[in-house]
Amino acid sequence: QQQVKQSPQSLIVQKGGISIINCAYENTAFDYFPWYQQFPGKGPALLIAIRPDVSEKKEGRFTISFNKSAKQFSLHIMDSQPGDSATYFCAARGPGGGGATNKLIFGTGTLLAVQP
Amino acid sequence: DSGVTQTPKHLITATGQRVTLRCSPRSGDLSVYWYQQSLDQGLQFLIQYYNGEERAKGNILERFSAQQFPDLHSELNLSSLELGDSALYFCASIALSTPNTEAFFGQGTRLTVV
Repeated sequence: QQQVKQSPQSLIVQKGGISIINCAYENTAFDYFPWYQQFPGKGPALLIAIRPDVSEKKEGRFTISFNKSAKQFSLHIMDSQPGDSATYFCAARGPGGGGATNKLIFGTGTLLAVQP
Repeated sequence: DSGVTQTPKHLITATGQRVTLRCSPRSGDLSVYWYQQSLDQGLQFLIQYYNGEERAKGNILERFSAQQFPDLHSELNLSSLELGDSALYFCASIALSTPNTEAFFGQGTRLTVV
């Protein structure tokens, strides 16, 4: 119930194409769903996030689509660029109150390669 | 720069040994999370501390322990090391004033057990 399942494990996209990464969860008490981007040799960094009362959030070329009834959410990267090549992690905030006392449960990551 | 400092960056040690990984959270952040990242397991949550107290435990082995000190830095102790403990270990701190729980990660400690 505390897991977040992420797919695919790896993804190759041509420059200018759309990258789509999917995540699914079981625990309906999760209340916040961020995506993190990690470049080699670096720690993950927050990319974009969504709350379950919103079905879509867009920031530049990055969009999160959220389907509460299906307990699924996905990251779409439009006009993918070689600089987007990185590992992407979805995450969900676990139950237990607000703010800093919650823990983030991460998916297993998707290695994205955008070919020029 | 996330503001989270982890030391050392790299660590090579033999099986059976004990190591200590150190993390200094961002100034003002009270919460520290430890994660283990291996190739096939993604980011695995190990343990969370908040203002010196353990708040949540994940898939942390009994051979591993952690603590958070009064100055809020945290240490992750790994003992009786096995080859399978080789991984990247990240700590993250959470901004207390951010209701959206943004985690700021350090650059990680790469542990290699030989």
